[in-house]
Amino acid sequence: KAGVTQTPRYLIKTRGQQVTLSCSPISGHRSVSWYQQTPGQGLQFLFEYFSETQRNKGNFPGRFSGRQFSNSRSEMNVSTLELGDSALYLCASSLGRGGNQPQHFGDGTRLSIL
Amino acid sequence: AQTVTQSQPEMSVQEAETVTLSCTYDTSESNYYLFWYKQPPSRQMILVIRQEAYKQQNATENRFSVNFQKAAKSFSLKISDSQLGDTAMYFCAFMQNNAGNMLTFGGGTRLMVKP
Repeated sequence: KAGVTQTPRYLIKTRGQQVTLSCSPISGHRSVSWYQQTPGQGLQFLFEYFSETQRNKGNFPGRFSGRQFSNSRSEMNVSTLELGDSALYLCASSLGRGGNQPQHFGDGTRLSIL
Repeated sequence: AQTVTQSQPEMSVQEAETVTLSCTYDTSESNYYLFWYKQPPSRQMILVIRQEAYKQQNATENRFSVNFQKAAKSFSLKISDSQLGDTAMYFCAFMQNNAGNMLTFGGGTRLMVKP
């Protein structure tokens, strides 16, 4: 069974641009969550999608948005990029919701803002 | 809001020895889950062990075990017979029950296993 696939693996953008990151969950998984990882702030929760609906949202500005498609694949978008958006963006998928459903992480997308 | 604290930014251990990583958390909830994740240099976050707060018995997974002290809000990870492949960042994480899949992570502990 293929794991969680995140594309692209690396991305370089400049300030003011926008970016879209993709996450394909493990087959059959319906929940997708996104996290931002930086040296300064650590791992922070962005949002969670389940059955195409956003179920939880972290404390991030409206420039960060996401969506989930009917096949459970998810995308996150960041508009008007800032230097501080440079980070590793991790996606995790699980069968359902709750702590008894292990979350499986992808390898992440490394986003660098110049 | 919940907070998770890992007070040891870096630790090292000799191969085959035992090491304990500390984690404390703060919550007003009584029903929750606690996790330890491992992130090797390859970047992929891997679940090491999970503990349900309502279970008093400490979780174990092969060489990995936890010491869960609910009253003290402490959740330490013990790695026995350390192996070179255990070298990684270790993150403690909290998930509130019935609140979806949102994980709150600690700052991490970088563990180096020396030959």
